[in-house]
Amino acid sequence: EPEVTQTPSHQVTQMGQEVILRCVPISNHLYFYWYRQILGQKVEFLVSFYNNEISEKSEIFDDQFSVERPDGSNFTLKIRSTKLEDSAMYFCASSEAQGDTQYFGPGTRLTVL
Amino acid sequence: ILNVEQSPQSLHVQEGDSTNFTCSFPSSNFYALHWYRWETAKSPEALFVMTLNGDEKKKGRISATLNTKEGYSYLYIKGSQPEDSATYLCAFDDNYGQNFVFGPGTRLSVLP
Repeated sequence: EPEVTQTPSHQVTQMGQEVILRCVPISNHLYFYWYRQILGQKVEFLVSFYNNEISEKSEIFDDQFSVERPDGSNFTLKIRSTKLEDSAMYFCASSEAQGDTQYFGPGTRLTVL
Repeated sequence: ILNVEQSPQSLHVQEGDSTNFTCSFPSSNFYALHWYRWETAKSPEALFVMTLNGDEKKKGRISATLNTKEGYSYLYIKGSQPEDSATYLCAFDDNYGQNFVFGPGTRLSVLP
């Protein structure tokens, strides 16, 4: 069964460093999403992406964040200058059409020291 | 800010017991309600997407109902098994799938 994959599973970085989290959505899906979950808190929406542009973003998704679909398979989340409070589990999701079930990857745990 | 709540926060049941938990969400601007099952160290697994008031969905021993007028959905598990142990998340969609608002989850532990 097709699935969303994410790499790395765990990333440790120093405050101020840039990180890129990678996702490979399900191949025939057209809508892509990033969510995060800070330990002990709810899963929070960050951004949705369709047709090579951001379609919706939350207040969390400020200028430090960017997303890109650099080729036909990868979908990346970049954090330019990480802060301690960026430590969280980051989930990528994809869906075939708008409003459809979103299928989630296993997440990348980001730890900012 | 949309508020999606789930209760109880955690639940311990014996194998064979049936159980249910609740997701409550705003009753205005409803588009869909999604249920996910999330085992530790795995991807959240989609269980149901519910769109119509009065919807009932079933998948094996798990079923869900939806009341959009009063803003709640119930998830039922009949004859719980240890492999049902997971966190059950509901996600509210008021924006045609643009973004989901998740509840905090109900953590279910089924004791053998």
